[in-house]
Amino acid sequence: SQTIHQWPATLVQPVGSPLSLECTVEGTSNPNLYWYRQAAGRGLQLLFYSVGIGQISSEVPQNLSASRPQDRQFILSSKKLLLSDSGFYLCAWSVAGSYTDTQYFGPGTRLTVL
Amino acid sequence: AQKITQTQPGMFVQEKEAVTLDCTYDTSDPSYGLFWYKQPSSGEMIFLIYQGSYDQQNATEGRYSLNFQKARKSANLVISASQLGDSAMYFCAMREGRDTGGFKTIFGAGTRLFVKA
Repeated sequence: SQTIHQWPATLVQPVGSPLSLECTVEGTSNPNLYWYRQAAGRGLQLLFYSVGIGQISSEVPQNLSASRPQDRQFILSSKKLLLSDSGFYLCAWSVAGSYTDTQYFGPGTRLTVL
Repeated sequence: AQKITQTQPGMFVQEKEAVTLDCTYDTSDPSYGLFWYKQPSSGEMIFLIYQGSYDQQNATEGRYSLNFQKARKSANLVISASQLGDSAMYFCAMREGRDTGGFKTIFGAGTRLFVKA
Protein backbone atom coordinates (compact mmCIF):
# COMPACT_ATOMS: atom_id res chain seq x y z
CA SER A 1 0.00 0.00 0.00
CA GLN A 2 1.03 3.59 -0.50
CA THR A 3 2.17 5.84 2.31
CA ILE A 4 3.20 9.46 2.40
CA HIS A 5 5.57 10.96 4.93
CA GLN A 6 6.26 14.53 5.88
CA TRP A 7 8.82 16.00 8.21
CA PRO A 8 9.24 17.72 10.45
CA ALA A 9 5.82 17.56 12.07
CA THR A 10 6.24 20.96 13.70
CA LEU A 11 8.70 23.75 13.17
CA VAL A 12 9.31 27.12 14.78
CA GLN A 13 11.57 29.42 12.81
CA PRO A 14 12.62 33.08 13.10
CA VAL A 15 11.80 35.57 10.38
CA GLY A 16 14.50 35.61 7.73
CA SER A 17 15.67 32.06 8.33
CA PRO A 18 15.67 29.38 5.60
CA LEU A 19 13.14 26.58 5.32
CA SER A 20 13.20 23.04 4.03
CA LEU A 21 10.18 20.73 4.31
CA GLU A 22 10.36 17.25 2.91
CA CYS A 23 7.73 14.89 1.60
CA THR A 24 8.26 11.32 0.42
CA VAL A 25 5.85 8.78 -1.00
CA GLU A 26 6.24 5.02 -0.80
CA GLY A 27 4.54 2.24 -2.69
CA THR A 28 3.94 3.99 -5.99
CA SER A 29 5.93 5.22 -8.97
CA ASN A 30 5.83 8.52 -10.82
CA PRO A 31 3.10 10.07 -8.70
CA ASN A 32 1.76 13.57 -9.13
CA LEU A 33 2.90 15.56 -6.10
CA TYR A 34 1.41 18.66 -4.51
CA TRP A 35 2.21 21.21 -1.82
CA TYR A 36 -0.66 23.04 -0.09
CA ARG A 37 -0.76 25.62 2.65
CA GLN A 38 -3.62 25.98 5.10
CA ALA A 39 -3.93 29.15 7.16
CA ALA A 40 -5.61 28.80 10.55
CA GLY A 41 -9.32 28.05 10.13
CA ARG A 42 -9.15 28.26 6.36
CA GLY A 43 -9.24 25.98 3.36
CA LEU A 44 -6.27 24.73 1.39
CA GLN A 45 -4.28 26.82 -1.04
CA LEU A 46 -2.33 25.02 -3.75
CA LEU A 47 1.28 26.19 -3.83
CA PHE A 48 3.07 23.84 -6.22
CA TYR A 49 2.48 20.65 -8.15
CA SER A 50 4.76 18.30 -10.01
CA VAL A 51 4.11 15.65 -12.64
CA GLY A 52 7.68 14.35 -12.77
CA ILE A 53 11.28 14.79 -11.66
CA GLY A 54 12.38 18.36 -12.14
CA GLN A 55 8.92 19.45 -13.35
CA ILE A 56 7.42 22.03 -11.02
CA SER A 57 4.43 24.28 -11.56
CA SER A 58 3.87 27.22 -9.26
CA GLU A 59 0.39 28.41 -8.47
CA VAL A 60 1.05 31.32 -6.15
CA PRO A 61 3.96 33.78 -6.54
CA GLN A 62 5.74 34.02 -3.21
CA ASN A 63 9.09 33.54 -1.56
CA LEU A 64 8.68 29.77 -1.55
CA SER A 65 10.08 27.29 -4.04
CA ALA A 66 9.71 23.58 -4.62
CA SER A 67 11.94 20.89 -6.02
CA ARG A 68 11.57 17.25 -6.96
CA PRO A 69 15.04 15.73 -6.97
CA GLN A 70 13.77 12.15 -7.00
CA ASP A 71 10.64 10.46 -8.29
CA ARG A 72 8.96 10.20 -4.90
CA GLN A 73 10.51 13.13 -3.09
CA PHE A 74 9.10 16.65 -2.99
CA ILE A 75 10.78 19.49 -1.12
CA LEU A 76 9.40 22.90 -0.18
CA SER A 77 11.99 25.59 0.49
CA SER A 78 12.48 29.21 1.29
CA LYS A 79 15.63 31.30 1.54
CA LYS A 80 14.09 33.82 3.95
CA LEU A 81 10.88 33.17 5.84
CA LEU A 82 8.24 35.84 6.36
CA LEU A 83 5.70 36.04 9.17
CA SER A 84 3.00 35.37 6.58
CA ASP A 85 4.57 31.99 5.80
CA SER A 86 3.20 30.58 9.06
CA GLY A 87 0.64 27.86 8.50
CA PHE A 88 -0.02 24.19 8.07
CA TYR A 89 1.75 22.69 5.06
CA LEU A 90 0.35 19.58 3.49
CA CYS A 91 1.89 17.39 0.85
CA ALA A 92 -0.32 15.19 -1.32
CA TRP A 93 0.06 12.66 -4.09
CA SER A 94 -2.16 11.24 -6.81
CA VAL A 95 -1.82 8.52 -9.40
CA ALA A 96 -0.44 9.93 -12.62
CA GLY A 97 -2.95 9.73 -15.42
CA SER A 98 -5.83 8.63 -13.21
CA TYR A 99 -9.29 9.73 -14.26
CA THR A 100 -10.26 11.07 -10.87
CA ASP A 101 -6.88 12.46 -9.76
CA THR A 102 -7.88 11.76 -6.16
CA GLN A 103 -5.26 13.27 -3.89
CA TYR A 104 -4.01 11.58 -0.73
CA PHE A 105 -2.46 13.73 1.93
CA GLY A 106 0.41 13.42 4.34
CA PRO A 107 0.24 14.26 8.05
CA GLY A 108 1.34 17.86 7.49
CA THR A 109 3.93 20.23 8.97
CA ARG A 110 2.85 23.01 11.27
CA LEU A 111 5.16 26.00 10.71
CA THR A 112 5.30 28.99 13.01
CA VAL A 113 7.41 31.95 11.97
CA LEU A 114 8.25 34.32 14.82
CA ALA B 1 -14.54 34.28 -8.17
CA GLN B 2 -15.14 31.72 -5.48
CA LYS B 3 -15.75 28.36 -7.09
CA ILE B 4 -16.50 26.21 -4.08
CA THR B 5 -18.93 27.46 -1.46
CA GLN B 6 -19.61 25.86 1.89
CA THR B 7 -22.15 28.06 3.62
CA GLN B 8 -22.19 26.29 6.98
CA PRO B 9 -19.22 27.29 9.14
CA GLY B 10 -20.39 24.93 11.87
CA MET B 11 -22.97 22.19 12.29
CA PHE B 12 -24.25 20.21 15.25
CA VAL B 13 -25.76 16.74 15.02
CA GLN B 14 -26.94 14.27 17.60
CA GLU B 15 -25.11 10.97 17.69
CA LYS B 16 -26.76 8.30 15.51
CA GLU B 17 -28.64 10.87 13.43
CA ALA B 18 -27.93 11.79 9.81
CA VAL B 19 -26.44 15.13 8.79
CA THR B 20 -26.06 16.94 5.47
CA LEU B 21 -23.13 19.23 4.75
CA ASP B 22 -23.75 21.66 1.91
CA CYS B 23 -21.46 22.39 -1.01
CA THR B 24 -22.12 24.37 -4.16
CA TYR B 25 -19.67 24.86 -6.98
CA ASP B 26 -19.22 26.91 -10.09
CA THR B 27 -17.56 25.77 -13.28
CA SER B 28 -18.04 26.03 -17.02
CA ASP B 29 -15.95 22.92 -17.63
CA PRO B 30 -18.15 19.93 -18.58
CA SER B 31 -15.61 17.51 -17.12
CA TYR B 32 -14.90 17.89 -13.43
CA GLY B 33 -14.67 15.93 -10.22
CA LEU B 34 -15.99 16.63 -6.76
CA PHE B 35 -14.42 15.40 -3.53
CA TRP B 36 -15.09 15.46 0.16
CA TYR B 37 -12.30 15.31 2.71
CA LYS B 38 -12.37 15.02 6.49
CA GLN B 39 -9.82 16.82 8.63
CA PRO B 40 -9.76 15.75 12.29
CA SER B 41 -7.94 17.79 14.91
CA SER B 42 -4.70 15.97 14.06
CA GLY B 43 -4.67 17.89 10.77
CA GLU B 44 -4.42 15.08 8.26
CA MET B 45 -6.79 15.33 5.30
CA ILE B 46 -8.69 12.09 4.81
CA PHE B 47 -10.34 11.36 1.47
CA LEU B 48 -13.98 10.34 1.88
CA ILE B 49 -15.80 10.24 -1.43
CA TYR B 50 -15.59 11.21 -5.10
CA GLN B 51 -18.24 12.13 -7.68
CA GLY B 52 -17.46 12.61 -11.36
CA SER B 53 -19.45 15.07 -13.45
CA TYR B 54 -20.46 12.32 -15.85
CA ASP B 55 -21.43 9.82 -13.17
CA GLN B 56 -25.11 8.96 -13.42
CA GLN B 57 -25.52 7.76 -9.87
CA ASN B 58 -24.72 9.42 -6.58
CA ALA B 59 -21.51 8.16 -5.01
CA THR B 60 -21.66 6.18 -1.78
CA GLU B 61 -18.91 4.96 0.55
CA GLY B 62 -20.13 3.25 3.69
CA ARG B 63 -21.91 5.86 5.83
CA TYR B 64 -21.03 8.62 3.38
CA SER B 65 -23.09 9.51 0.34
CA LEU B 66 -22.88 12.42 -2.02
CA ASN B 67 -26.13 14.08 -3.09
CA PHE B 68 -25.13 15.28 -6.54
CA GLN B 69 -27.52 17.74 -8.19
CA LYS B 70 -25.78 18.76 -11.38
CA ALA B 71 -28.30 21.34 -12.56
CA ARG B 72 -28.12 23.10 -9.21
CA LYS B 73 -24.33 22.67 -9.06
CA SER B 74 -24.49 21.19 -5.62
CA ALA B 75 -22.65 18.26 -4.10
CA ASN B 76 -23.84 17.81 -0.55
CA LEU B 77 -22.28 15.22 1.74
CA VAL B 78 -24.66 13.08 3.76
CA ILE B 79 -23.32 11.25 6.80
CA SER B 80 -25.69 8.64 8.13
CA ALA B 81 -25.74 7.36 11.71
CA SER B 82 -23.30 9.98 13.01
CA GLN B 83 -20.60 8.86 15.42
CA LEU B 84 -18.58 10.87 17.93
CA GLY B 85 -15.51 10.25 15.77
CA ASP B 86 -17.16 12.14 12.93
CA SER B 87 -16.49 15.41 14.72
CA ALA B 88 -14.05 17.19 12.41
CA MET B 89 -13.69 19.78 9.65
CA TYR B 90 -15.12 18.71 6.31
CA PHE B 91 -13.92 20.15 3.02
CA CYS B 92 -15.58 20.05 -0.35
CA ALA B 93 -13.22 20.23 -3.33
CA MET B 94 -13.45 20.38 -7.10
CA ARG B 95 -11.01 19.28 -9.77
CA GLU B 96 -11.43 20.94 -13.15
CA GLY B 97 -9.94 20.46 -16.54
CA ARG B 98 -9.37 16.73 -16.63
CA ASP B 99 -9.60 16.65 -20.42
CA THR B 100 -7.10 19.45 -20.78
CA GLY B 101 -4.66 17.75 -18.44
CA GLY B 102 -5.15 20.19 -15.61
CA PHE B 103 -4.40 19.13 -12.09
CA LYS B 104 -5.91 21.95 -10.13
CA THR B 105 -8.11 21.04 -7.23
CA ILE B 106 -9.67 23.87 -5.28
CA PHE B 107 -11.08 23.59 -1.79
CA GLY B 108 -13.95 25.22 0.01
CA ALA B 109 -13.57 26.98 3.35
CA GLY B 110 -14.86 23.95 5.24
CA THR B 111 -17.62 23.07 7.68
CA ARG B 112 -16.88 22.10 11.25
CA LEU B 113 -19.12 19.26 12.41
CA PHE B 114 -19.81 18.62 16.09
CA VAL B 115 -21.41 15.32 17.03
CA LYS B 116 -23.20 15.41 20.40
CA ALA B 117 -23.51 12.37 22.63
